[in-house]
Amino acid sequence: KNEVEQSPQNLTAQEGEFITINCSYSVGISALHWLQQHPGGGIVSLFMLSSGKKKHGRLIATINIQEKHSSLHITASHPRDSAVYICAVPRSYSGGGADGLTFGKGTHLIIQP
Amino acid sequence: SAVISQKPSRDICQRGTSLTIQCQVDSQVTMMFWYRQQPGQSLTLIATANQGSEATYESGFVIDKFPISRPNLTFSTLTVSNMSPEDSSIYLCAGQNPGELFFGEGSRLTVL
Repeated sequence: KNEVEQSPQNLTAQEGEFITINCSYSVGISALHWLQQHPGGGIVSLFMLSSGKKKHGRLIATINIQEKHSSLHITASHPRDSAVYICAVPRSYSGGGADGLTFGKGTHLIIQP
Repeated sequence: SAVISQKPSRDICQRGTSLTIQCQVDSQVTMMFWYRQQPGQSLTLIATANQGSEATYESGFVIDKFPISRPNLTFSTLTVSNMSPEDSSIYLCAGQNPGELFFGEGSRLTVL
């Protein structure tokens, strides 16, 4: 069963700063998900990636399959980026996500004006 | 991306009662899952909702406590039965299609 570690758990930064959140997992995967959860509880999928790098606006996600590590970067951070960012991977390699996901504990990000 | 409408968004319930949470998807979904997020914790899988058959439950979760239905590819319900304060959590449904993952808005339950 896959285990997920995220760091840091909490991060407070000033508006405009470059943000990096890290995620490590224990078992080889087909794809990794980065999610954003706002205070109300709703979760939005930001990225699903299986190799290399993806970019969407000010968000960049990278993954190193060999090292079982992924990072989420936010450039020119803004107070509206304040949320919990969660990394998730398939529960097992053979499941490929069909048996659900294992989630990191999340990184609570606060961007101050 | 598909959209899931989940309700209720929140509720306050009395101990011993049951509550049913509904998720309606605006298109057919291959896989549907129910997760629980206890305060300050990450999401934990309760069960996989199987269309037309009994759900597949994870260790620590049983059908009598969390009965699940999925009559078709766009709708699922989770019932939290005989609630106790320990059941106070956010409950989320999630859908997966190849290359796509999406969540309901969550149901925040408080049990008194």
